[in-house]
Amino acid sequence: QKEVEQDPGPLSVPEGAIVSLNCTYSNSAFQYFMWYRQYSRKGPELLMYTYSSGNKEDGRFTAQVDKSSKYISLFIRDSQPSDSATYLCAMSHLSRNTGFQKLVFGTGTRLLVSP
Amino acid sequence: DVKVTQSSRYLVKRTGEKVFLECVQDMDHENMFWYRQDPGLGLRLIYFSYDVKMKEKGDIPEGYSVSREKKERFSLILESASTNQTSMYLCASSSLSDSGFGSYNEQFFGPGTRLTVL
Repeated sequence: QKEVEQDPGPLSVPEGAIVSLNCTYSNSAFQYFMWYRQYSRKGPELLMYTYSSGNKEDGRFTAQVDKSSKYISLFIRDSQPSDSATYLCAMSHLSRNTGFQKLVFGTGTRLLVSP
Repeated sequence: DVKVTQSSRYLVKRTGEKVFLECVQDMDHENMFWYRQDPGLGLRLIYFSYDVKMKEKGDIPEGYSVSREKKERFSLILESASTNQTSMYLCASSSLSDSGFGSYNEQFFGPGTRLTVL
């Protein structure tokens, strides 16, 4: 079983739709939960991160973490064609000894928003 | 603005060749990483380094080695390239965590090198 599971998609939606992207995980030690966005032929870039459980909102984007269910979500409101990209969830925990965070990534979900 | 650059966007090599992939970051980050990205498998960590001349194996180090002689530069070496090493290779860097819980040290990625081994 993979540590982090993510549906690869593709997920196709019309412009203006609400998009829901999800990941499940198995390691209860994870404390940091990230969403990276990757455009075609580019490296991933951090979109949002959340520490522990709860919600975080940034403009049209909302990240949710449910540690009891080991489930995280990214919601995109009023989706735009420019949101078309691959969205990767990632998780980590902080080593107190080294201060080091090693990321574990999901496989990524490809999102297509049509005009 | 953090910038991570990789020496080549596209590379084609023959089986058995020695391959060098170079990565340079300009933000004085302590940590540097090499990942490979494959469809259906996502990003997998090959090696990372938390200081000059220090290196640690990631999840899939077999067939690879790394070198970090200067803080800003991290090289990935394929000693004898094989066809199963055809992939997208991504370099990333991050700063050392200097705060407690609740803080995340973002990894900044380069644009990637698409390596094809024939």
